[in-house]
Amino acid sequence: EVQLVQSGAEVKKPGESLKISCQGSGYSFTNYWLGWVRQMPGKGLEWMTIIYPDNSDTRYNPSFQGQVTISADKSISTAYLQWNNLKASDTAMYYCARQARNGLFDYWGQGTLITVSS
Amino acid sequence: DIVMTQSPDSLAVSLGERATINCKSSQSVLYSSSNKNYLAWYQQKPGQPPKLLIYWASTRESGVPDRFSGSGSETDFTLTISSLQAEDVAVYYCQQYYYIPRTFGQGTKVEIK
Repeated sequence: EVQLVQSGAEVKKPGESLKISCQGSGYSFTNYWLGWVRQMPGKGLEWMTIIYPDNSDTRYNPSFQGQVTISADKSISTAYLQWNNLKASDTAMYYCARQARNGLFDYWGQGTLITVSS
Repeated sequence: DIVMTQSPDSLAVSLGERATINCKSSQSVLYSSSNKNYLAWYQQKPGQPPKLLIYWASTRESGVPDRFSGSGSETDFTLTISSLQAEDVAVYYCQQYYYIPRTFGQGTKVEIK
């Protein structure tokens, strides 16, 4: 069974750094792109970035380029999303999701809620 | 970026009645070589992650009830729930997966009338 398990909710202050994780199991982690999707409170879904864990090839939505960094550690089947300077506007639910071979997201993590507040 | 526009933003349908959601893309998502439309539909219930319902515009994901159907091609697509059930209350999103960045519609909230 394919599973994506995300790290827990975080409460941070503006300017702080953060790295959240997504661990995959039940499939060959290195052979599927894995991505992140943002959902701001009460809003829709925004595709942020994806990574191919086997060689760490990445793609970014220009709207998020430079704002976040995606990475992966294939030895522990885990992908990460990192911020170096959080803003209140980063407050959102973040989902990781596996990209199927045709390009859509077929399996999703449970979500990680990030709250940024002074 | 490809803009995906859904209509309506919300709709209320009686139990057992049909619900129809439209999705329009700013560019064609039909890949001519394969004749496949790179268009998916997701369902998101409150407090849950999205769930894949339909891909290639009209192919139901395994386990999805057959009251859900997708149609359309190139730039205009439709998700139909033929007989709305209480468990179908959710927000529905279309997504194109032809171009990067992948883009979602703004969502359509389906409620019971």
